[in-house]
Amino acid sequence: QSALTQPPSASGSPGQSVTISCTGTSSDVGGYNSVSWYQQHPGKAPKLMIYEGSKRPSGVPDRFSGSKSGNTASLTVSGLQAEDEADYYCSSYAGSNFFVFGTGTKVTVL
Amino acid sequence: EVQVVESGGGLVQPGGSLRLSCAASGFTLSSYWMHWVRQAPGKGLVWVSRINRDGTTTAYADSVKGRFTISRDNAKNTLFLQMDSLRAEDTAVYYCARETYASSDYWGQGTLVTVSS
Repeated sequence: QSALTQPPSASGSPGQSVTISCTGTSSDVGGYNSVSWYQQHPGKAPKLMIYEGSKRPSGVPDRFSGSKSGNTASLTVSGLQAEDEADYYCSSYAGSNFFVFGTGTKVTVL
Repeated sequence: EVQVVESGGGLVQPGGSLRLSCAASGFTLSSYWMHWVRQAPGKGLVWVSRINRDGTTTAYADSVKGRFTISRDNAKNTLFLQMDSLRAEDTAVYYCARETYASSDYWGQGTLVTVSS
């Protein structure tokens, strides 16, 4: 049950794009179509941004997109806005009813 | 409106026990798998446990297996986490979350558990 690997930080200027990676193994990210992404502002509960790798829940702006290649999933935030500054976590189903989260990435809007 | 509200956190001594509750409203609890996730101060999210719709299937992170027990009372729309043999490293905000499509779409605001003498 090792955490998925994310870069500690990422940044971009308003209007630019930022992409966050989430690397796992064939037993989690690569083995299932079950990667989700969460946004968390300081002191707040996490918010679901992407599920099943690339689907957006109702109300999530289409500036947020997800993809996967092999054992690595990615979240891209296009047209960065000040309110996108937050921590982002990926998560994946890991088989046998287990789930695993990523190490988290702090996104800074310059 | 869908809501989940955690309660039961507090200060407990090492080796002690605590029972967390998660009250669900705005949806039928029995229709959803549910999770507990925790976050130590200044740290990342960590998956703790999962339970199926009728409570017959559970799973635990290795770090809590044998010490924590997840359960549910669908008639009372409530999810529980019984935490025994608590350690300092269990100190965290504990969130309950509703599962849909292998993701957690609704989260509570969390309840803080502090394990300290």
